[in-house]
Amino acid sequence: AQKITQTQPGMFVQEKEAVTLDCTYDTSDQSYGLFWYKQPSSGEMIFLIYQGSYDEQNATEGRYSLNFQKARKSANLVISASQLGDSAMYFCAMREGLSNSGYSTLTFGKGTMLLVSP
Amino acid sequence: TAGITQAPTSQILAAGRSMTLRCTQDMRHNAMYWYRQDLGLGLRLIHYSNTAGTTGKGEVPDGYSVSRANTDDFPLTLASAVPSQTSVYFCASKGQGAGTGELFFGEGSRLTVL
Repeated sequence: AQKITQTQPGMFVQEKEAVTLDCTYDTSDQSYGLFWYKQPSSGEMIFLIYQGSYDEQNATEGRYSLNFQKARKSANLVISASQLGDSAMYFCAMREGLSNSGYSTLTFGKGTMLLVSP
Repeated sequence: TAGITQAPTSQILAAGRSMTLRCTQDMRHNAMYWYRQDLGLGLRLIHYSNTAGTTGKGEVPDGYSVSRANTDDFPLTLASAVPSQTSVYFCASKGQGAGTGELFFGEGSRLTVL
């Protein structure tokens, strides 16, 4: 089974609207972390937001928030007030184990391409 | 701050030739990683290194080798390139200690094998 599933290959949103990018994960670990990265057309990987498995509140970073539903194993990214510059590929990723473990790696989903129209 | 530097930025390589993608970081991170990115497949881990002197296999290690002689450098070698190794390769690193455990990425190396 895939560890990270992003079911939306592409999403369209109009400028200034909110959009939710879906991510579900599969792990048996109690301690894990969930990440979202943005990859614009220029190709670099930009870290957006992080949610730890023990964090009780949903993570927020400016216009980004992570809708963490632990029982459903979902970690959706919500972008509020979309901007043209938000057009990019978005990747959800998971770290299993503790963040300071020297043996942890990130497993990535296949990504969702978001296009923001004027 | 340079962070992670990858070289070359792009390369066209004939099948059967060898190639080393270079990766250098200046953050003194213990852990380093090589991922490949392919359309529709996301990023897949090739090899990783938790600390200098140690390496491990990721999800798609076949056809690739790595070494970690020191903390800063983590080269990826293709001994005999094949067209299926056409991809964008990302080197990444992770700091030790408390924190999110996010990965810091280089800007990628685009490799085309003909």
